[in-house]
Amino acid sequence: GEDVEQSLFLSVREGDSSVINCTYTDSSSTYLYWYKQEPGAGLQLLTYIFSNMDMKQDQRLTVLLNKKDKHLSLRIADTQTGDSAIYFCADSGGSNYKLTFGKGTLLTVNP
Amino acid sequence: DTAVSQTPKYLVTQMGNDKSIKCEQNLGHDTMYWYKQDSKKFLKIMFSYNNKELIINETVPNRFSPKSPDKAHLNLHINSLELGDSAVYFCASRLAGGGRETQYFGPGTRLLVL
Repeated sequence: GEDVEQSLFLSVREGDSSVINCTYTDSSSTYLYWYKQEPGAGLQLLTYIFSNMDMKQDQRLTVLLNKKDKHLSLRIADTQTGDSAIYFCADSGGSNYKLTFGKGTLLTVNP
Repeated sequence: DTAVSQTPKYLVTQMGNDKSIKCEQNLGHDTMYWYKQDSKKFLKIMFSYNNKELIINETVPNRFSPKSPDKAHLNLHINSLELGDSAVYFCASRLAGGGRETQYFGPGTRLLVL
């Protein structure tokens, strides 16, 4: 079945760049997503990328997609303490576009 | 003007009880989903409805029964609640078309079964 893997923890200093990596197995995925979840809160859609793109930039966020290696990354420039949260990678496979999530990466930003 | 709303936000109940969670979206989307997030933060799809029709049912116990009275609402009824049902349940609504394919999530319903 489909599988999405991501490292569980990342710790950076305020002002540095953060890079969160994700790999997926479903080659039929047409869209890939990054969601952010702050403690006790819901899921906030950060950005997404269509599978025929290899890069998407949105302000401090840069998504890179290597479709051949099934590797997705999220780079956050100038990371702030408010960026501390769990970041979920997800892919949408099949005609019903159900999302398969990774286990989430807990990003800790140290002052 | 909340896009995807869920009620209740918190639900504490005893084992064996029956409870319902409600979800509403005012975005005009056709497809809605229920996801479950367990205590380790793992998120998994449970159900999906498209225009009141069930299209995804992911090996969820029969005690869980979704109902969609219209395409703006997707409710989840749970019979004979068990301790393992304790989780956060998220509703989502899907926007598709115009080069976009995204799902917007509700704030979640935190269910605790004692």
